[in-house]
Amino acid sequence: EIVMTQSPATLSVSPGERATLSCRASQSVSSNLAWYQQKPGQAPRLLIYGASTRATGIPARFSGSGSGTEFTLTISSLQSEDFAVYYCQQYNNWWTFGQGTKVEIK
Amino acid sequence: QITLKESGPTLVKPTQTLTLTCTFSGFSLSTSGVGVGWIRQPPGKALEWLALIYWDDDKRYSPSLKSRLTITKDTSKNQVVLTMTNMDPVDTATYYCAHKLLYQGWFDPWGQGTLVTVSS
Repeated sequence: EIVMTQSPATLSVSPGERATLSCRASQSVSSNLAWYQQKPGQAPRLLIYGASTRATGIPARFSGSGSGTEFTLTISSLQSEDFAVYYCQQYNNWWTFGQGTKVEIK
Repeated sequence: QITLKESGPTLVKPTQTLTLTCTFSGFSLSTSGVGVGWIRQPPGKALEWLALIYWDDDKRYSPSLKSRLTITKDTSKNQVVLTMTNMDPVDTATYYCAHKLLYQGWFDPWGQGTLVTVSS
């Protein structure tokens, strides 16, 4: 099983600042990686697939990068609605998720 | 517009079998390439993929839970059913179903989820 490790567990950021979230795979997943956003009491929402392609309707302030085992989700200027938990998911070999990064207001 | 909604018991006893139904609209499981998956999330914890079924009845199960899971579809009712046997308190979680396409590895969109508590 491919283990996905996200860091940090919690990221404290002020509105308007940049947030950088990391996701590491235990073995190469190529670019077969997605990012999701989850707000309290809601289902996850797809943000990014193919490591760097924004899903339909996702604002341009969200960007993804990386390949192989190292991936990054960047939120260029945090808006109030962006404070949430973010999960990465690999789909190169079955489907596994990271443990999440909580982005909280500083 | 694709929507999915999970339904089933909110409380089950240890050793019982859980049966969850995902009712969806906006797509058909008779269409080539379409699939529905189940993912769960224990309170405050991470997401875990459980099972997946495709239009051609191809089924995939999490290796760690395979012996306890069965996924089926009813195309005429636009439903997918997940059963999990021998429930344990550690299986307490919100269970989600989600739409997936064969050549796309991500799940989108997801249902709202249903919380299942396992307790005597």
